[in-house]
Amino acid sequence: EIVLTQSPGTLSLSPGERATLSCRASQSVTNNFLAWYAQIPGQAPRLLIYAASIRATGIPDRFSGSGSGTAFTLTIGRLEPEDFAVYYCQHYGTSPITFGQGTRLEIK
Amino acid sequence: EVRLVESGGGLVHPGGSLRLSCAASGFTVSTSYLSWVRQAPGKGLEWVSVIYRGGNTNYADSVKGRFTVSRDNSKNTLYLQMTSLRAEDTAVYYCARDFAGYCGPSNCYVGAFDIWGQGTLVSVSS
Repeated sequence: EIVLTQSPGTLSLSPGERATLSCRASQSVTNNFLAWYAQIPGQAPRLLIYAASIRATGIPDRFSGSGSGTAFTLTIGRLEPEDFAVYYCQHYGTSPITFGQGTRLEIK
Repeated sequence: EVRLVESGGGLVHPGGSLRLSCAASGFTVSTSYLSWVRQAPGKGLEWVSVIYRGGNTNYADSVKGRFTVSRDNSKNTLYLQMTSLRAEDTAVYYCARDFAGYCGPSNCYVGAFDIWGQGTLVSVSS
């Protein structure tokens, strides 16, 4: 089983700042099959990025994903109020799929 | 509009059973890969089960032998039959459409999830 470790646990930033979230895998992620989701408390997760760097439909271009192998990054260019949420990474394509423990992005 | 709507959650005693439903609209369940993902209170996401396009299924080790995923193509609905429920099964259960899963010559693999339902809460307590 691939263990995904996200850092930091909590990130405190102000609107307009840039956010950088990390996801590290315990072994190489096949074909860079790595997705990112955002979850506002009380709501379902929303897909942001898949295949490490491809934005999902309707996701603004301030969200970008990068990385390969065991190290992946989600960058949010300029934070909007609606971006403050919990972010999860997930690997797929090998069994079982797993999620990281999440990074909470909070307003400073 | 592509949408998933779960129902059937509630309070159940340890050892009890519950069936969750997930009604799909805007797409066809019979030609999709669909998963259940759960989230315990204040915790992260945990994949639970999948039903692939061909009807084959797979489960997380934590629920194998206790949960059964199925679908009714005529109702365009996904189900999760849960038995022998435990306190640690307490969670919000989401159904989700998998757009990136695939089946190879000998195995199928779960992908990523582009559509999620709003979730239904299952509480297991005496």
